[in-house]
Amino acid sequence: AQSVTQLGSHVSVSEGALVLLRCNYSSSVPPYLFWYVQYPNQGLQLLLKYTTGATLVKGINGFEAEFKKSETSFHLTKPSAHMSDAAEYFCAVSDPDTDKLIFGTGTRLQVFP
Amino acid sequence: NAGVTQTPKFRVLKTGQSMTLLCAQDMNHEYMYWYRQDPGMGLRLIHYSVGEGTTAKGEVPDGYNVSRLKKQNFLLGLESAAPSQTSVYFCASNFDPGLRYYEQFFGPGTRLTVL
Repeated sequence: AQSVTQLGSHVSVSEGALVLLRCNYSSSVPPYLFWYVQYPNQGLQLLLKYTTGATLVKGINGFEAEFKKSETSFHLTKPSAHMSDAAEYFCAVSDPDTDKLIFGTGTRLQVFP
Repeated sequence: NAGVTQTPKFRVLKTGQSMTLLCAQDMNHEYMYWYRQDPGMGLRLIHYSVGEGTTAKGEVPDGYNVSRLKKQNFLLGLESAAPSQTSVYFCASNFDPGLRYYEQFFGPGTRLTVL
């Protein structure tokens, strides 16, 4: 069965600093990978996704993620944090056996001025 | 194009009461899902539907029932609410993951408190 691990339930950065949110997955076949963002009191919004092709994926709001098969990782980065990036971020992986998404437990990003 | 909508946005129930949460999507999606979100546990799948008239159990189905009488609507019912069902409920939909369209579109959520 697929699983997703997000290291760090809370991450705090200063405005302008690098954002790095970690995601590792287990999969026996090449997966489809997703990052979703949830702003306070809102639903989940797709940030970016990896399906096939280029392993560096660019998303909305300046975020990007790199699929590294050898490390089974799909870490999310942003070069310079903005106050508006404060939210909860979820990594998800497709499960080819069930056709469902498996979500990580989420990482709450705080951005300090 | 409203996407995925949910009603109500908030609800407070007493233990033992019943209620129905409504999810509607206008994207002609085949698959619809109900999740619950609890602190530190991410999203857990309650029930899902692969098309009109079909439903299936997810990871945490106990205490919930669902119906998909129309393709655009997916209802989640609580027959006898319990405090353990206090949570935020999200509905989602996608086109057809069997065709590798895995991206799910989410509604804004329903915050339910059971006293």
